[in-house]
Amino acid sequence: DQQVKQNSPSLSVQEGRISILNCDYTNSMFDYFLWYKKYPAEGPTFLISISSIKDKNEDGRFTVFLNKSAKHLSLHIVPSQPGDSAVYFCAASGSGGSNYKLTFGKGTLLTVNP
Amino acid sequence: NAGVTQTPKFRVLKTGQSMTLLCAQDMNHEYMYWYRQDPGMGLRLIHYSVGEGTTAKGEVPDGYNVSRLKKQNFLLGLESAAPSQTSVYFCASRDDMRTGNTIYFGEGSWLTVV
Repeated sequence: DQQVKQNSPSLSVQEGRISILNCDYTNSMFDYFLWYKKYPAEGPTFLISISSIKDKNEDGRFTVFLNKSAKHLSLHIVPSQPGDSAVYFCAASGSGGSNYKLTFGKGTLLTVNP
Repeated sequence: NAGVTQTPKFRVLKTGQSMTLLCAQDMNHEYMYWYRQDPGMGLRLIHYSVGEGTTAKGEVPDGYNVSRLKKQNFLLGLESAAPSQTSVYFCASRDDMRTGNTIYFGEGSWLTVV
């Protein structure tokens, strides 16, 4: 029973264009969401996060949007760069007793073509 | 600034052998985690610890044991390795919930069971 879903295994975009990575969740107790980026042979690194009290968080080229009613979040990368090519994991954390661990999606492989 | 360090980085085991993966963090974090990453499966939580001397099961705990005798170390043991445990293992840590939900990963340990 997947609580965090990334339905697109891969995405390919041209350099300079926008990359949009999507994530859906089913657990209404989740109230904090994060995106991690992973290069081959390295550990995941934190990219950006958003609390459920917000609907948007921006950090440079990266913006995360949260639609609580739809249980959907997305990561926008503008403009995309070849160095952004990596696997992106969406993760969620819950309130109350489940806020000490993250549940991850299966990841989306982003390829940015020069 | 080491962060989260995992040893060994690579290991090949024969079926039935035992081994221990060591995770060390120098950030004085309370929470520590062991995840495994498999193709098409994302990051799945094996075991975690919310403090020194405590451990708890995650999503996929079978075949693994853990110990947290010291706050900075979290050990993952395989008592009798099976080919299904061939995977990349990531250790992670984070501070307590009052300072945010971001977790920090090690660089990974590649384990092959033949």
